[in-house]
Amino acid sequence: QKEVEQNSGPLSVPEGAIASLNCTYSDRGSQSFFWYRQYSGKSPELIMFIYSNGDKEDGRFTAQLNKASQYVSLLIRDSQPSDSATYLCAVRGVHGGANNLFFGTGTRLTVIP
Amino acid sequence: NAGVTQTPKFRILKIGQSMTLQCTQDMNHNYMYWYRQDPGMGLKLIYYSVGAGITDKGEVPNGYNVSRSTTEDFPLRLELAAPSQTSVYFCASSGQGGTEAFFGQGTRLTVV
Repeated sequence: QKEVEQNSGPLSVPEGAIASLNCTYSDRGSQSFFWYRQYSGKSPELIMFIYSNGDKEDGRFTAQLNKASQYVSLLIRDSQPSDSATYLCAVRGVHGGANNLFFGTGTRLTVIP
Repeated sequence: NAGVTQTPKFRILKIGQSMTLQCTQDMNHNYMYWYRQDPGMGLKLIYYSVGAGITDKGEVPNGYNVSRSTTEDFPLRLELAAPSQTSVYFCASSGQGGTEAFFGQGTRLTVV
């Protein structure tokens, strides 16, 4: 079983809609969860992180964490064409070392004008 | 503020050649990582380091070696390049306490 799993997409949403990105993880001991955005040919950049169960909002972005279900999601409200990118879920786990950061394969999002 | 700097940005190697990918960070981070990203895929951890003098294997360490003689530098060595090592390599660093990782701009390596 992979450490972090994401639906690879592609996910297409119209401009102004809500984009919902999902991620599951296997290590119950994981403490920190991150969403990165990666434009084609560029390096990943952090969008949000979440440590506690529940929701965390930052502008148009909301991260949701459910540790019991081992599930983390990212909602993007009022999606813009500039949001078109690959979104990587990352989980800081304990396998092989307390600070390893494991990434999912990413979900490619396209926002259609 | 430079952050994480990787060199070179691009490189073509012939099968069997060796090379070192350089990575340096100026944020005084203890943790440093090397990832590879194959086309259309996520990042896979090659090696990581929790501090100067300490390194350990990640998910895909075969064919690579690392060293960490200083806090700032974490070079990745390919000894006998193989076509399967064609990938984009990212170096990253993070501070204490499980904080976010900051990435370098990546090195696109092609082995022919």
